[in-house]
Amino acid sequence: GQQVMQIPQYQHVQEGEDFTTYCNSSTTLSNIQWYKQRPGGHPVFLIQLVKSGEVKKQKRLTFQFGEAKKNSSLHITATQTTDVGTYFCAGPHAGGTSYGKLTFGQGTILTVHP
Amino acid sequence: DAGVIQSPRHEVTEMGQEVTLRCKPISGHNSLFWYRQTMMRGLELLIYFNNNVPIDDSGMPEDRFSAKMPNASFSTLKIQPSEPRDSAVYFCASSPRGSNYGYTFGSGTRLTVV
Repeated sequence: GQQVMQIPQYQHVQEGEDFTTYCNSSTTLSNIQWYKQRPGGHPVFLIQLVKSGEVKKQKRLTFQFGEAKKNSSLHITATQTTDVGTYFCAGPHAGGTSYGKLTFGQGTILTVHP
Repeated sequence: DAGVIQSPRHEVTEMGQEVTLRCKPISGHNSLFWYRQTMMRGLELLIYFNNNVPIDDSGMPEDRFSAKMPNASFSTLKIQPSEPRDSAVYFCASSPRGSNYGYTFGSGTRLTVV
């Protein structure tokens, strides 16, 4: 079945350093979504990318969707302690309809040392 | 908008007891999803509904789990009888239409079965 893999599983950075997490799908995706879950919280939708090669920015966060629409990345510039949490990518299940379900990656746990 | 509302926030029950988790999706959202999150298995989709109709319950662990959506504003996930291995955080999420839109997650129910 479809798999959505994320690396790394864990990332520890010093405050001010950059951070990148990568997401790879075994199938072509119609869209890719990113979520953030704070410790003890629930996943919160950050953004959706739809177009091949698309790049979107939210303040210090930069999201990219690969040309083949099978991979994506999230880059955070100059991390802050408020960036701590688990970042998930998610893509529509292979063969699914627009009413289908998302397959979530395992997530990357980011810790930031002040 | 109050968001997706789940109750209870915490539930501690004894093995063998029936547990009912509740969810009120965002008004106007046509898709509703139940997820379970554990450290070992990450976010697992249990079941999802479109327009109150169950579409895919392949993620439901076994017959002890059942879910209903009697109307557009309410869904339940029931475990009977509960077992210690069911301990997890259960999230409900809704979206306007399946996987083409970001999910809005509820705050979750932390279930502990002793």
